[in-house]
Amino acid sequence: AQSVSQHNHHVILSEAASLELGCNYSYGGTVNLFWYVQYPGQHLQLLLKYFSGDPLVKGIKGFEAEFIKSKFSFNLRKPSVQWSDTAEYFCAVNANNQGGKLIFGQGTELSVKP
Amino acid sequence: DAGVTQSPTHLIKTRGQQVTLRCSPKSGHDTVSWYQQALGQGPQFIFQYYEEEERQRGNFPDRFSGHQFPNYSSELNVNALLLGDSALYLCASSLSVSSYNEQFFGPGTRLTVL
Repeated sequence: AQSVSQHNHHVILSEAASLELGCNYSYGGTVNLFWYVQYPGQHLQLLLKYFSGDPLVKGIKGFEAEFIKSKFSFNLRKPSVQWSDTAEYFCAVNANNQGGKLIFGQGTELSVKP
Repeated sequence: DAGVTQSPTHLIKTRGQQVTLRCSPKSGHDTVSWYQQALGQGPQFIFQYYEEEERQRGNFPDRFSGHQFPNYSSELNVNALLLGDSALYLCASSLSVSSYNEQFFGPGTRLTVL
């Protein structure tokens, strides 16, 4: 069965610090990879996605993620975080042959101190 | 352009009761997926509806059932409620069941079972 692991449950950073959130998945076939963000009091929204091609993908608000197939990883990065990045971040996977079924990790809560 | 809407926002039920949650997809979308998000966890896929049929189902018991109407809106029904059914129920809509189409999430319905 597919699964997604996010290693950090809660990350606390100061503004301007660099961010890297880990995500690993288990599935042997071709997958699509996503990062979703949930700002306080708001809906889940898509941050970025990877389907194929360049393994380094750029998303909204300066976020990027790198797909490393050999490590089954899709880590999220941002060079310099802002207070407004405080949110919960979810990594998600779906298999190419399983339509829109998304498998989510348990989430990482990011707190950015001003 | 209205996004995904869900009703009600909050609901309190007692064990053994039945509940119906409603979802209207984003304009132009024809596919609806339901997810359960327990406190401190990532969303878990319940099922997906397309063309008024259940297309995929996650690992949830038969107490969880759904329906999709000709206007693409959807209902999630849960019978014989258990304390463990307390969670945030999220609806997501997309254009077709393709795994390449972004899913847009609604604000969720917070269900509390006493």
